[in-house]
Amino acid sequence: DAGVTQSPTHLIKTRGQHVTLRCSPISGHKSVSWYQQVLGQGPQFIFQYYEKEERGRGNFPDRFSARQFPNYSSELNVNALLLGDSALYLCASSLRQTTNEKLFFGSGTQLSVL
Amino acid sequence: GQSLEQPSEVTAVEGAIVQINCTYQTSGFYGLSWYQQHDGGAPTFLSYNGLDGLEETGRFSSFLSRSDSYGYLLLQELQMKDSASYFCAVSSGYSTLTFGKGTMLLVSP
Repeated sequence: DAGVTQSPTHLIKTRGQHVTLRCSPISGHKSVSWYQQVLGQGPQFIFQYYEKEERGRGNFPDRFSARQFPNYSSELNVNALLLGDSALYLCASSLRQTTNEKLFFGSGTQLSVL
Repeated sequence: GQSLEQPSEVTAVEGAIVQINCTYQTSGFYGLSWYQQHDGGAPTFLSYNGLDGLEETGRFSSFLSRSDSYGYLLLQELQMKDSASYFCAVSSGYSTLTFGKGTMLLVSP
């Protein structure tokens, strides 16, 4: 079975532009989360979606938004890109929405903002 | 707020045992997880402790003391392939993790 897939793998944008990152969860998984990982740091929680509804939001500005589609895939959108948005963006899926759920991560999208 | 503390780097030789500690301060706590991440790769789940005590999975074990807000990951019979970053993460909500900054483990021959 395929794992969590993310596209694109790498992306280069300039300040002020908009970006859309995509994630396909493991088949049957209904929960998708997004994390930002800056070099040398741990992943930082951005959003969690379950059954197409936003169930959690981290401490990120409104420039960040996301949605989950009926097939449980998800998009992360970032507007008005800043240099500080350069990071690895990780998507994770899980079967359910529980407090002890094992997360399955994709390999991420490496975003560089110039 | 929430914070997790773990050593930034640990070195060991093949065949040895290494322990990576994690202390945490969180406003909500359901359990402590450990993830492994190789350079350029996806974080992969290693273990989860929801209750106090030791959980063992093959060469890896994880311990939690909720009263001390402390946990550790124990890696035995180290192999070169274990060289990676290891993250402790607090489960603070449904499918929501707060990660530490990570510990880079370097295993030498």
